[in-house]
Amino acid sequence: GAVVSQHPSRVICKSGTSVKIECRSLDFQATTMFWYRQFPKQSLMLMATSNEGSKATYEQGVEKDKFLINHASLTLSTLTVTSAHPEDSSFYICSAFPGSTSYNEQFFGPGTRLTVL
Amino acid sequence: EDQVTQSPEALRLQEGESSSLNCSYTVSGLRGLFWYRQDPGKGPEFLFTLYSAGEEKEKERLKATLTKKESFLHITAPKPEDSATYLCAVQSGGYNKLIFGAGTRLAVHP
Repeated sequence: GAVVSQHPSRVICKSGTSVKIECRSLDFQATTMFWYRQFPKQSLMLMATSNEGSKATYEQGVEKDKFLINHASLTLSTLTVTSAHPEDSSFYICSAFPGSTSYNEQFFGPGTRLTVL
Repeated sequence: EDQVTQSPEALRLQEGESSSLNCSYTVSGLRGLFWYRQDPGKGPEFLFTLYSAGEEKEKERLKATLTKKESFLHITAPKPEDSATYLCAVQSGGYNKLIFGAGTRLAVHP
C-alpha cells in the first residue's frame, strides 16, 4: 500500500514553455500533498504544501506565480512550471500524506527530471 | 528555527563492516523523526518513524534509535545493495511538513 506515482518521469522542454507534472496517490486518499525540488547532491527542499480544495501554501522564496499548484481531488495534485528557464531544471518530487491516525508518514513519488534547454 | 544535521556527509564501508549514521535535530515540539532511503534518480523510500526518546525500530540490517537530541541509523553487516543516500527528516509543532537533513551518502564495497 501507500503508492504514489508521478508523470512524466522525465521531460525536456525549450525555454519559455510551461510544463505540467502530475502526482497521484494510487491506493489511498491524500488530504495533503507536498512538492519538493532537489538539485544534484543536495537534499530535498520543500516548495509548497497542497491541500485538497484550497490554495497551496508556498515556502519562503518560492514564486507562486511561477509554480502553480492545483490539488483538485484527494488523489491528484499537479505542479505547473510556467515559462520555464534553464535555472528551473531540477528533480521535482511529490509526496502524499494520508492524514489518517495510522499513518504519520509521507510517501514519495519516483520524481520527475525536468531539463529546460 | 527547526534544524536537522546529518553526519557524516559520506561514508564508505566494506561489506560486513557495521557502522552508524547520525541525525541531530533542534525542533520545537517533535511530532516524529523519519528515516528515508534514496537511490540515485528516485524518490525517497520510507524506512522508519520514531516518535519518542528511547524508541527503537528494526528492519533487516537497519536499526533506528532516538534520543531527545539525535537519532542513529545503525547498519549491521551491510551489503553492496545498502548503498544509497539516507535521509533524516523531522516533523514538528502542528505542521505536517517535513524538514530534511542533507543526507548521508553510503557506499558499501564488496
